[in-house]
Amino acid sequence: NAGVMQNPRHLVRRRGQEARLRCSPMKGHSHVYWYRQLPEEGLKFMVYLQKENIIDESGMPKERFSAEFPKEGPSILRIQQVVRGDSAAYFCASSHGTGWEQYFGPGTRLTVT
Amino acid sequence: SQQGEEDPQALSIQEGENATMNCSYKTSINNLQWYRQNSGRGLVHLILIRSNEREKHSGRLRVTLDTSKKSSSLLITASRAADTASYFCATGSGGGADGLTFGKGTHLIIQP
Repeated sequence: NAGVMQNPRHLVRRRGQEARLRCSPMKGHSHVYWYRQLPEEGLKFMVYLQKENIIDESGMPKERFSAEFPKEGPSILRIQQVVRGDSAAYFCASSHGTGWEQYFGPGTRLTVT
Repeated sequence: SQQGEEDPQALSIQEGENATMNCSYKTSINNLQWYRQNSGRGLVHLILIRSNEREKHSGRLRVTLDTSKKSSSLLITASRAADTASYFCATGSGGGADGLTFGKGTHLIIQP
């Protein structure tokens, strides 16, 4: 049973470009969460999605960031017009349901130059 | 202090000793989860304890939860060099606010 998969593992973007991060949840999981981790910091919750629905986006910056989890395919975290401050590790997690264990993927390390 | 704050920030012990890390939080929770993260890697789920549970065991791990004090502890017995990592507690409220709130972690070093 494959774990949570994220790609790419490393992404380099110039300021002003767009970044697209992908997450495939564990088999059988329909709940997806995105987190951001700055160097030497803990993870910060960004958004919680179920298939085709955003349940909680209270941790998502209001501008430039968006997320989706379509009926088919992976969840996508999209960052438009990236800035240096967006450089971080972005982790995706999935769970069987609300209040259950969240299992994390290996993360995507975004570097904005 | 923030929700899910670990104490101590860093801990160095000899192999074979027990390691205890504490976590405090502020708001009501549905569950509390402990994770391990090796440098530059993803998070590994260790254990989940629900708000109506007081203690849970998994192998060499023992987790306690005291909801009256809003605190949890993670005990690793008979530590090994491979246990060297950062350990995070994360609290979940469940329902529509199911995103976890993490602390900054305890960095554990096991000296061989």
